[in-house]
Amino acid sequence: EPEVTQTPSHQVTQMGQEVILRCVPISNHLYFYWYRQILGQKVEFLVSFYNNEISEKSEIFDDQFSVERPDGSNFTLKIRSTKLEDSAMYFCASSDDRVYGYTFGSGTRLTVV
Amino acid sequence: AQKVTQAQTEISVVEKEDVTLDCVYETRDTTYYLFWYKQPPSGELVFLIRRNSFDEQNEISGRYSWNFQKSTSSFNFTITASQVVDSAVYFCALLHHASGGSYIPTFGRGTSLIVHP
Repeated sequence: EPEVTQTPSHQVTQMGQEVILRCVPISNHLYFYWYRQILGQKVEFLVSFYNNEISEKSEIFDDQFSVERPDGSNFTLKIRSTKLEDSAMYFCASSDDRVYGYTFGSGTRLTVV
Repeated sequence: AQKVTQAQTEISVVEKEDVTLDCVYETRDTTYYLFWYKQPPSGELVFLIRRNSFDEQNEISGRYSWNFQKSTSSFNFTITASQVVDSAVYFCALLHHASGGSYIPTFGRGTSLIVHP
C-alpha cells in the first residue's frame, strides 16, 4: 500500500539552529500538509500546500517556518531558528482529494535542546 | 470557530468489552467532514473513517461502528468486543472550509483507550 515517508524519524538540534524535515508524499497525491503534535497533546494543523503554493496556514506557522516542494517528490518543512517549544512530533500528510482522509507519515520527532 | 471536544481523556476496559468514544463538534458551516484517526503506541496516525455533513447514515466496519447525529453534533465511535490491539489514542477531527478555499482540520485532544487482557 502506498505510504508517506518521513525522514529523519528523530532529530535533535540545538536551539537557534535551522532544521529541515523531509517528506515524500504518495506519488499521485496533489495536496500536502504539515501537522505538529506536542507530546501528549492534540494534533495541530500547520500548513497546506497545493499547486506549488501554500493554500492555508495556521497561526502557528509564522515567519520561522517555510515549506517547499523542491522537486517532483519531496516536500520539506524548514524551521529557521528553532526554539525549545518547537520540540514536537511533526507529521507530513498527503491526499488526492482535499476533503478525503489524509495519509499520514510516521512522523519526525524533533527535540530542541 | 470550529471546535472538537473529546471529553474522555482516558478509558480503560477489559478485553471483549464494548467501548464508545465520544466526539462532539461545533461549527457554523453547513458543509463539513468528520474523521476518526487512530494513533497506536508506535506514533503514526491511521485514518479510520470520513463522514460528510449530509450523510447521517451510521457505518459499521467489522468491530468498529460510528454514530453520526447532527441534531446533537456528535460523531461517536464504538468498538465492539475490544482487543488489546485496539489500545491507542483515538482522535476525532472536523474538516471545514476555510476562507482561502482550502479545508482545514481541527482535531480533538484525543481519547486514550487502554484494553487490558
